[in-house]
Amino acid sequence: ETGVTQSPTHLIKTRGQQVTLRCSSQSGHNTVSWYQQALGQGPQFIFQYYREEENGRGNFPPRFSGLQFPNYSSELNVNALELDDSALYLCASSFGRGYTFGSGTRLTVV
Amino acid sequence: AQTVTQSQPEMSVQEAETVTLSCTYDTSESNYYLFWYKQPPSRQMILVIRQEAYKQQNATENRFSVNFQKAAKSFSLKISDSQLGDTAMYFCAFFLYSGGGADGLTFGKGTHLIIQP
Repeated sequence: ETGVTQSPTHLIKTRGQQVTLRCSSQSGHNTVSWYQQALGQGPQFIFQYYREEENGRGNFPPRFSGLQFPNYSSELNVNALELDDSALYLCASSFGRGYTFGSGTRLTVV
Repeated sequence: AQTVTQSQPEMSVQEAETVTLSCTYDTSESNYYLFWYKQPPSRQMILVIRQEAYKQQNATENRFSVNFQKAAKSFSLKISDSQLGDTAMYFCAFFLYSGGGADGLTFGKGTHLIIQP
């Protein structure tokens, strides 16, 4: 049974650029959610996808968008990067009410 | 909206001691789950223990147990016989069962637990 894998592990971008983060779900998990974890804080819910449709969203602006593919893998896209977008981005896949997290992508915006 | 509060930013105990981490939450809902997650320096969130709100019995997983007080909206984690490998950030999280989990997990700010040799 494979876990949740995220890529890349680290990324440095310039303010105003766009970034795409990727997540491969655990086998059999049809739901994926993304979280932003700022330094020293708990993760904040960005959005959730179920069977390729967004079915839940936290308090994040539209420049945070996502996709889920037929194999349940997912992407998080962030446009017009701001310095405050620097954080650890965690992906979690689930089936029912059990969440499995990846090790995250550390995004630094300079 | 739900909120989760962890009032202990950092705790430090000696190896083999028992430690209790506190968590309180606020919700007007009745069907929910509560979790404790561990986040070591590897960054991956690891599920420690889960409690369904409809269950009166406190959950236990080996050395980990919870004290779930639904009326008081309190959900503390007790770690017995603490080990060096327990050193990590610990997050309390709330999950609303109704709505298919569309609100995701709501996390507290975390407690940094340090186990001293």
